[in-house]
Amino acid sequence: DQQVKQNSPSLSVQEGRISILNCDYTNSMFDYFLWYKKYPAEGPTFLISISSIKDKNEDGRFTVFLNKSAKHLSLHIVPSQPGDSAVYFCAANKAAGNKLTFGGGTRVLVKP
Amino acid sequence: KAGVTQTPRYLIKTRGQQVTLSCSPISGHRSVSWYQQTPGQGLQFLFEYFSETQRNKGNFPGRFSGRQFSNSRSEMNVSTLELGDSALYLCASSKAARANTEAFFGQGTRLTVV
Repeated sequence: DQQVKQNSPSLSVQEGRISILNCDYTNSMFDYFLWYKKYPAEGPTFLISISSIKDKNEDGRFTVFLNKSAKHLSLHIVPSQPGDSAVYFCAANKAAGNKLTFGGGTRVLVKP
Repeated sequence: KAGVTQTPRYLIKTRGQQVTLSCSPISGHRSVSWYQQTPGQGLQFLFEYFSETQRNKGNFPGRFSGRQFSNSRSEMNVSTLELGDSALYLCASSKAARANTEAFFGQGTRLTVV
């Protein structure tokens, strides 16, 4: 039972353009969502988060959008840079405790 | 400000042995969670500790256990190792116990069981 899904395993984008990563969830009890960036053999690096009471959160080049009715969130990276090439994970959390449920990841390749 | 520190970074063990992994959270963080990453199963939650108490547990067998000390440092133990336990084990620390708190990860411990 995959409660958090990232349906696109990979994404290729030109440097300077927008990268859009998508994530769907099924559990309506999730109320906090996070995006992480990960390089091989390293721990995930926190990028940005959003609470279920908001529909948008922005931090520099990163913007996360949340559509609760559709149980869908997306991460926009503008402009994309070669250093953004990595695997991106969305994660969801419920009200109590720190138990993150992760999606399967999307590998992003930014071409110079 | 120091990040989350996990030791050791790499470990090779034989089937049937046991292993202990260590995690030192960010100073001031009281919640420590453990995750397992494998190519087949992705990132999966093992357990979470807050103030020395296990608050959440994932769907892993009893061979996987953990504890947290009064200084918030945490250890996880895997007994009777199996080949399938080969994975990257990640520790994450959070400041508070509630959900709307960012979790920061360590570099991980790569465990190989032969």
